[in-house]
Amino acid sequence: SYVVTQPPSVSVAPGQTATITCAGNIIESRSVHWHQQRPGQAPVLVVYDNVDRPSGIPERFSGSKSGNTATLTINRVEPGDEADYFCQVWIGGPDHPGVFGTGTRVTVL
Amino acid sequence: EVQLVESGGGLVQPGGSLRLSCVASGLPFSFNSMNWVRQAPGKGLEWISYISMGSSSIYYADSVRGRFTISRENVKNSLYLEMNDLRDDDTAVYYCAAIGSISFYIDVWGKGTTVTVSS
Repeated sequence: SYVVTQPPSVSVAPGQTATITCAGNIIESRSVHWHQQRPGQAPVLVVYDNVDRPSGIPERFSGSKSGNTATLTINRVEPGDEADYFCQVWIGGPDHPGVFGTGTRVTVL
Repeated sequence: EVQLVESGGGLVQPGGSLRLSCVASGLPFSFNSMNWVRQAPGKGLEWISYISMGSSSIYYADSVRGRFTISRENVKNSLYLEMNDLRDDDTAVYYCAAIGSISFYIDVWGKGTTVTVSS
C-alpha cells in the first residue's frame, strides 16, 4: 500500500507562516495536490500540480516539492485558514485509485 | 455554478444495502472522471472508488472491493455507488468528487451524504 504522511497538527499565530509537509516514496514520481477542509465543510482544492493555485485561492497559499516531500505554505495566516489540510496523489492502479495524506490540522492561535 | 449533489445516505443495519447518487451541474460531466471519497467520523479522507469518463476503467480500494459497485449515467449527469454487506466501519460521510484534468486532481467536491451503519 501507499503511505503518505503529514504532521498531525501545526499551530501558528495570525500573520505568521504555516508550513505543512507531505512525505512518502510515491511523492517523488507524482504530482501532489492540496485540499483544505474547514470544520463541518467539504474539502476545497487549494493547490494542484505541486505549485499551481485554482482561481479564487489567495496567493498566500503556495506549494512546492523536493524529492519525496511536498510542502504547502500559508503566508500571512488568517483566522479563516484554520482547517484540516490533506495532500492528494493519484496512483491509478486497480487496487488504489489514489491516496490522501494523513491530514494536518492547522490551528490559528 | 458548478455543483455536485449527493443523496441516498441514511441509517442502515449491518449487512444491509444502500445506493448513493450524485447529480452534477455546471460542469461537462461526460468529460470528468468521477470518484467516491469517504470520511469516517473524526478521521481523514479515504479514496474508495474511481470511474473513468466512459466507464472503461473502474478502481476500488481494498476496503470496499467486492461489496461496493460504482457506475455512472452520462446522459443523466449522474454517478452512483451501490453498497452491499455494509459494516460498522463503513460509517462515514461519502463525498462525490470530480476530476477534470489529466493530472488527476479532484477539482470539484460535493457536500457529502452521511451513511451510518448500526444496529
